[in-house]
Amino acid sequence: QLQLQASGPGLVKPSETLLLTCSVSGDSISSSSYYWGWIRQTPGKGLEWIGSIYYTGNTYYNPSLKSRVSMSIDTSMMQFSLQLTSVTAADTGVYFCARQVGGLLYFRNWFNPWGQGTLVTVSS
Amino acid sequence: QSVLTQPPSVSGAPGQRVTISCTGSSSSIGAGYDVHWYQQLPGTAPKLLIYTNSNRPSGVPDRFSGSKSGTSASLAITGLQAEDEADYYCQSYDSSLSGYVFGTGTKVTVL
Repeated sequence: QLQLQASGPGLVKPSETLLLTCSVSGDSISSSSYYWGWIRQTPGKGLEWIGSIYYTGNTYYNPSLKSRVSMSIDTSMMQFSLQLTSVTAADTGVYFCARQVGGLLYFRNWFNPWGQGTLVTVSS
Repeated sequence: QSVLTQPPSVSGAPGQRVTISCTGSSSSIGAGYDVHWYQQLPGTAPKLLIYTNSNRPSGVPDRFSGSKSGTSASLAITGLQAEDEADYYCQSYDSSLSGYVFGTGTKVTVL
């Protein structure tokens, strides 16, 4: 059974860079059928898609965050990562990683399953 | 900001039927993009409830059903049970925003 687990520092200072990792188990992260995504849940914006990555390293990001977001994937470690630069209090929230399902016509995709989420607080 | 609008809350007695609306626009649901639904119990991650408008993953009770028409979609819960108390979110794609969008969320209360 596929499981995802997000991890990272719980506290980040304003203007610094947030780095989160999602560890995948129970299925191959190198499957050609899926993208892998990051979604966050913040008090200000609710659920917000951040970006997605394919096992080849191909990425696409939410245009509203694109200037600050970078994602990478390590198929040997069965992990993919999120880097968010210049964080502010508005980036405080729970960050989820998830598998994207529905084929390579990405606009048809949904997210299943989700990892348990990791709480990130931006504060000095 | 969410571009799919849902009612903040709905409630019903055990056994009743409740529906949750999800209203999009001509660049999201109205453009023909599929709608998916998630259930989020307190303190947990969202769980897929309905995919591609009306399909249930294995393990999801048939009390849950989804539909889509025009620029909106709906989730119906029949035979409401206490365990259905949760937050529910719709999700689609928006071509003007070039990304996936989520609904504002609806809290279901079982009276």
